[in-house]
Amino acid sequence: QSVLTQPPSVSAAPGQKVTISCSGSDSNIENNYVSWYQQLPGTAPKLLIYGSYNRPSGIPDRFSGSKSGTSATLGITGLQTGDEADYYCGTWDSILSTVVFGGGTKLAVL
Amino acid sequence: QVQLQESGPGLVKPSETLSLTCTVSGGSISDYYWSWIRQPPGKGLEWFGYIYYTGSTNYNPSLKSRVTLSVDTSTNQFSLKLSSVTAADTAVYYCARHRPGPYFDYWGQGTLVTVSS
Repeated sequence: QSVLTQPPSVSAAPGQKVTISCSGSDSNIENNYVSWYQQLPGTAPKLLIYGSYNRPSGIPDRFSGSKSGTSATLGITGLQTGDEADYYCGTWDSILSTVVFGGGTKLAVL
Repeated sequence: QVQLQESGPGLVKPSETLSLTCTVSGGSISDYYWSWIRQPPGKGLEWFGYIYYTGSTNYNPSLKSRVTLSVDTSTNQFSLKLSSVTAADTAVYYCARHRPGPYFDYWGQGTLVTVSS
């Protein structure tokens, strides 16, 4: 059971937009920065968003992050088949004193 | 471009100690924090803890009693030791650069460690 809650799967058509939610609490998301990772099949996670809103160099602006209260959201526009992957959110939990991750969301581009 | 590479045995016997090393290339290990993260087959990510290049550490409380992190700046490497392993410790183990936030901006490719007799 993950501390952060993500939907197990989401799907959308190529070219469309999708959002992936990450729900937590005041001990994690509400008072800490959120990061998002993309894990393509058989590969290591790749940083997509840090500081809740920021994209590292090289990440296209099709990917965006937002946060409100105890929830965070990853948005992906202009979906491509190459975006099919597992997506994870992560943050610090001030009560548990550890980095916590969501259980992951599998994105299907149909 | 910073690159990380995990190395170590792919098979460990139950009750023994799992030992992995991460070699950092393309940049210095100094001035940064470094973490270990694992992913059991078909499951999510679990953070072990971080080590600073000075040797200071911060461990996941749920694993702290079994985990030791160390760093060798002369070889640009840092290491993980996990004691008293069981089948539940079977996972892909990743090393990563840990940035304040926190977030992980560079990852190794991962190494599968299986715990089995």
